[in-house]
Amino acid sequence: NAGVTQTPKFQVLKTGQSMTLQCAQDMNHEYMSWYRQDPGMGLRLIHYSVGAGITDQGEVPNGYNVSRSTTEDFPLRLLSAAPSQTSVYFCASSLRGRVLSDGYTFGSGTRLTVV
Amino acid sequence: EDQVTQSPEALRLQEGESSSLNCSYTVSGLRGLFWYRQDPGKGPEFLFTLYSAGEEKEKERLKATLTKKESFLHITAPKPEDSATYLCAVQGNNNDMRFGAGTRLTVKP
Repeated sequence: NAGVTQTPKFQVLKTGQSMTLQCAQDMNHEYMSWYRQDPGMGLRLIHYSVGAGITDQGEVPNGYNVSRSTTEDFPLRLLSAAPSQTSVYFCASSLRGRVLSDGYTFGSGTRLTVV
Repeated sequence: EDQVTQSPEALRLQEGESSSLNCSYTVSGLRGLFWYRQDPGKGPEFLFTLYSAGEEKEKERLKATLTKKESFLHITAPKPEDSATYLCAVQGNNNDMRFGAGTRLTVKP
């Protein structure tokens, strides 16, 4: 039981490049989400999914895209990287989802630098 | 809009010196208040959920309490291994989880 697995752990991109951050969980959690964490700020929700085939926007969705084709995987795509997207990205999942949250299980994060 | 403010931003304690971390919140219809621990370079680790004012939860040296406006995380006789950033989050009627910026706790031996 690996929990929530994020890859890569570190990434440097040039402005304008695109990439996909991977997130996989093996706990059969229906709810998955992506957050970014910036110094001095709380975690901010980018996108979330309440099940396969269902996604929705969070607080800061611009410049990011997601899809959920399986219960296990929830990749985050950066369409055209900008320096403002330099951050640490966390994937989180929950068994009971948004309505009756029982606390999230987080991955170990991807540290992204855009130059 | 839901808001979460944690104080202090940083706290340095001597081993054995008890203290409290504060989480003040405004939320439309509290569904739950959550405490997480985050170690450097790692993702947050879930500690507690509190659902209503007056509720308390304990885990080892940590005790979380909840009122209608704030939550406290009390740390009794802390050890160096309790050093971490502690995050507070609230979930309201819109189901979004709103996080505070955290309190960075350092416990010196």
